[in-house]
Amino acid sequence: GENVEQHPSTLSVQEGDSAVIKCTYSDSASNYFPWYKQELGKGPQLIIDIRSNVGEKKDQRIAVTLNKTAKHFSLHITETQPEDSAVYFCAASKGKAAGNKLTFGGGTRVLVKP
Amino acid sequence: DAGVTQSPTHLIKTRGQHVTLRCSPISGHKSVSWYQQVLGQGPQFIFQYYEKEERGRGNFPDRFSARQFPNYSSELNVNALLLGDSALYLCASSWGAQVDTGELFFGEGSRLTVL
Repeated sequence: GENVEQHPSTLSVQEGDSAVIKCTYSDSASNYFPWYKQELGKGPQLIIDIRSNVGEKKDQRIAVTLNKTAKHFSLHITETQPEDSAVYFCAASKGKAAGNKLTFGGGTRVLVKP
Repeated sequence: DAGVTQSPTHLIKTRGQHVTLRCSPISGHKSVSWYQQVLGQGPQFIFQYYEKEERGRGNFPDRFSARQFPNYSSELNVNALLLGDSALYLCASSWGAQVDTGELFFGEGSRLTVL
């Protein structure tokens, strides 16, 4: 089945700096790649997603890039703020072909230091 | 509008017992998915239900079962609990069965501790 690897597991950045999280996936049939932010005691919240027919997507301070050939995708957060501190998860899906499930990476704990 | 609501928020069970977790989707959502999140790991897919039918199943033993009711709420049942079942159980809802619509919303989860 699909396997998603996520790096780094922890990331500490100074406020205002950029943060980059990278994920690789194993199944070339995966076609949907969302990113979730999970704050302490809460469920994951979708922050941005990208589909396999798009190479890059941006939403204010966050952007995601996808390299289908290399089977990896990345999350970029610019001008980080203390409220960006959370655990971030990448995920991949083949949609209906795989029971509509998301396969998640192991997570990255991001700490933004004021 | 209320988000995805789950109950109970926390519970403690002993090995061998049975547990039922409940989920109410966002109003208008017809699909419910269940995920298990072990501490320090990413969520793992257990089930998806759409219009009361099972549409997907993850690699979990038969001790795990679920169902969806006519009002689209859902229950996750786990029998013969093991220590390794200790985790945060997340419910997610969406309007349709597809997960790639960008409209999959998670609840805050039910934290199960098995002693």
